[in-house]
Amino acid sequence: AQSVAQPEDQVNVAEGNPLTVKCTYSVSGNPYLFWYVQYPNRGLQFLLKYITGDNLVKGSYGFEAEFNKSQTSFHLKKPSALVSDSALYFCAVRDRSSNTGKLIFGQGTTLQVKP
Amino acid sequence: NAGVTQTPKFRVLKTGQSMTLLCAQDMNHEYMYWYRQDPGMGLRLIHYSVGEGTTAKGEVPDGYNVSRLKKQNFLLGLESAAPSQTSVYFCASADPAKNIQYFGAGTRLSVL
Repeated sequence: AQSVAQPEDQVNVAEGNPLTVKCTYSVSGNPYLFWYVQYPNRGLQFLLKYITGDNLVKGSYGFEAEFNKSQTSFHLKKPSALVSDSALYFCAVRDRSSNTGKLIFGQGTTLQVKP
Repeated sequence: NAGVTQTPKFRVLKTGQSMTLLCAQDMNHEYMYWYRQDPGMGLRLIHYSVGEGTTAKGEVPDGYNVSRLKKQNFLLGLESAAPSQTSVYFCASADPAKNIQYFGAGTRLSVL
């Protein structure tokens, strides 16, 4: 069965410091991997995706993520955090062989960036 | 450029009442999804549709029904609401070639 784990419920960082939000996955075959962000009282917004090619993927708002097949991880990173990055972040996986586009989401990690 | 629109935004129901949540998208997407979001559990797929006139069960379909009579609309129905259905409901649509789901702003439902 497919699954996604985000081991940290909350990540706290100081503004200007680098941030990492962790994600590991379990899926048969090669997955498609995604990060979404949710601001308070809003729907989810797409940040970035890994489909194929370069393991380092760059996305919106200066975020990037690194696909590590051997560790089955897809951690979200940003070199310098902003207070406005504070939000709920979701990692998601899609089975490459599926033709329904269904995503399996992790439980979410709250990022708190303090001034 | 509305994207994905959900109505209503908020609703309070009594146990046993019924209601329909409406999702409309203006991006001509084939795929549409209904999720529920509960604290600490991420988003769980209720039902989905890969085209007009088609629907399929997701991870947590019990107590819900859906219909996709028009490509742009995806309706989620609760025939007899239960307190366990108190949640925030999100609709999403996707172009299968682009691998990105676009979400509505959500419907916050409380069942008393």
